[in-house]
Amino acid sequence: EDKVVQSPLSLVVHEGDTVTLNCSYEVTNFRSLLWYKQEKKAPTFLFMLTSSGIEKKSGRLSSILDKKELFSILNITATQTGDSAIYLCAAKNSGGSNYKLTFGKGTLLTVNP
Amino acid sequence: KAGVTQTPRYLIKTRGQQVTLSCSPISGHRSVSWYQQTPGQGLQFLFEYFSETQRNKGNFPGRFSGRQFSNSRSEMNVSTLELGDSALYLCASSPMTEWMTDEQYFGPGTRLTVT
Repeated sequence: EDKVVQSPLSLVVHEGDTVTLNCSYEVTNFRSLLWYKQEKKAPTFLFMLTSSGIEKKSGRLSSILDKKELFSILNITATQTGDSAIYLCAAKNSGGSNYKLTFGKGTLLTVNP
Repeated sequence: KAGVTQTPRYLIKTRGQQVTLSCSPISGHRSVSWYQQTPGQGLQFLFEYFSETQRNKGNFPGRFSGRQFSNSRSEMNVSTLELGDSALYLCASSPMTEWMTDEQYFGPGTRLTVT
């Protein structure tokens, strides 16, 4: 059965701290790893990673994938209170043109002023 | 472009009833996926539709069904509701032009409460 495990489940930091969120996966026919940020409603897309070892960066957020060790990390530097959210990672697998996403349970990040 | 829309946003039903949720994808998106999100289980994949055909299905009982129309709008139906069906139901659309790079865009969800 496909599985995605995120750690830690929750994290409380102070503004300005740097955090690292972890995501490990066991998925058949793995194609890509996605990160989402979920505040009060719909998850919003952050990154999609398909190649191992290549960092994707967007402002203070960055992510990297290790396809050999089957994990990804999401880094957030100089955290702000607006970064408080649930961070979800999902592994996409595919058989031909069919695919599905398996999500982890998320990491609840709380950034205190 | 307008985002993914879902209706209704909130719904309260009683056990044994059935419910239909609706999702309108982003214009031009042909793939619609449905997810159930609960505090205990997180986000779980229900099914995915592409060009009016169900292509993938998660591990949910047959009480959960769906369909997609020719304009890519999708509906999800849950029959004989149980208390455990209380959840946030999210739909996500994707253009599916190139499956390896396509990302999914989520709607705001429908919060279903079963009493």
